[in-house]
Amino acid sequence: AQKVTQAQTEISVVEKEDVTLDCVYETRDTTYYLFWYKQPPSGELVFLIRRNSFDEQNEISGRYSWNFQKSTSSFNFTITASQVVDSAVYFCALSEGYNTDKLIFGTGTRLQVFP
Amino acid sequence: NAGVMQNPRHLVRRRGQEARLRCSPMKGHSHVYWYRQLPEEGLKFMVYLQKENIIDESGMPKERFSAEFPKEGPSILRIQQVVRGDSAAYFCASSPMGVGEKLFFGSGTQLSVL
Repeated sequence: AQKVTQAQTEISVVEKEDVTLDCVYETRDTTYYLFWYKQPPSGELVFLIRRNSFDEQNEISGRYSWNFQKSTSSFNFTITASQVVDSAVYFCALSEGYNTDKLIFGTGTRLQVFP
Repeated sequence: NAGVMQNPRHLVRRRGQEARLRCSPMKGHSHVYWYRQLPEEGLKFMVYLQKENIIDESGMPKERFSAEFPKEGPSILRIQQVVRGDSAAYFCASSPMGVGEKLFFGSGTQLSVL
């Protein structure tokens, strides 16, 4: 069965520090998607990235970067030079095959960035 | 372009009452999904609907829970005879075409059962 593990329950950093949020997944599917969502204090889930299982290239978007390693079933998320506005709960999620109807979410990592 | 709209944001019910949660998908989206987030847990899939059809309800409890997405109007998640264990955040998401598309989530409805 599919499973997503976010072992870090809560992380606290000081502004401008780099921080990496870990995500490890389990699946028997050979094709799937991986996602990261951000849940700020306002509550809504904000889509950050979707990665196809065949695409192991690392991706960078501004201060955000993602490291997908199929060999270790990990999809880690790094925020460079963190800011207070990055404070949120971050969820990693996995699809069943390419079917994104049922995403399997991790339990989330709460990131607190202090000024 | 408004996002996924859920209301109410907070809903308080006493045990045995009914809870109705509403979700209006993004404009142009015809696929709606409901997820539940229990305290200290990740979101769990409940049901996937298209207009007037339930496509997948494998995550929905067999009793007391129902969902609809009528031709006109919002999608409704209905919980009858609520119990304390139903207290959770209920999130709705929508997508334009379904399979393979990314999901856009609303802000959720926090249901508290007294």
